[in-house]
Amino acid sequence: SQQGEEDPQALSIQEGENATMNCSYKTSINNLQWYRQNSGRGLVHLILIRSNEREKHSGRLRVTLDTSKKSSSLLITASRAADTASYFCATDIQGAQKLVFGQGTRLTINP
Amino acid sequence: DGGITQSPKYLFRKEGQNVTLSCEQNLNHDAMYWYRQDPGQGLRLIYYSQIVNDFQKGDIAEGYSVSREKKESFPLTVTSAQKNPTAFYLCASSISATSFYEQYFGPGTRLTVT
Repeated sequence: SQQGEEDPQALSIQEGENATMNCSYKTSINNLQWYRQNSGRGLVHLILIRSNEREKHSGRLRVTLDTSKKSSSLLITASRAADTASYFCATDIQGAQKLVFGQGTRLTINP
Repeated sequence: DGGITQSPKYLFRKEGQNVTLSCEQNLNHDAMYWYRQDPGQGLRLIYYSQIVNDFQKGDIAEGYSVSREKKESFPLTVTSAQKNPTAFYLCASSISATSFYEQYFGPGTRLTVT
């Protein structure tokens, strides 16, 4: 079973709007990471949030982490056409030396 | 230019043939990983290596083999025992094999087996 699951599976918004994606996980984690993947390409790391952090910002990205609800959200503000991509959350399993990736959210920004 | 290279970008093979996918990094990272991605799906871990001459099975290692003879290289062989090998294969590396570090990904190899 998946450790991390993103919601929604697909999201389509107008350029300039904000996009919010959610990730839920099952077991305790040390940290959670978000990655972006453009179609047919490799993944690019966006942000890492540790289990003792509640919120983190990077440019137009804002990530929150609620360990009591075992969930995280990624907010992209003032979206641009170039933000069109799939977004994945990746969680570790405490004690394991690997990341587990969710199914991803496919984000489409319409001009 | 620092980064991870994978070659080739597209690979076609006949069923029953073994095929080796290349992954090279010049980031001086200790850890390297191989993932498989099927259409519309997330990534599944095939094998990972924490250090030269050492590697561990991931979640879907059956039908695959790897070697780590050099720090910068982590080739993946898809054997004829892999029941459904057609997929997008991604190689990644990180400073060390803990989840506290981000992973850097190559551009991927799309393998088609007919």
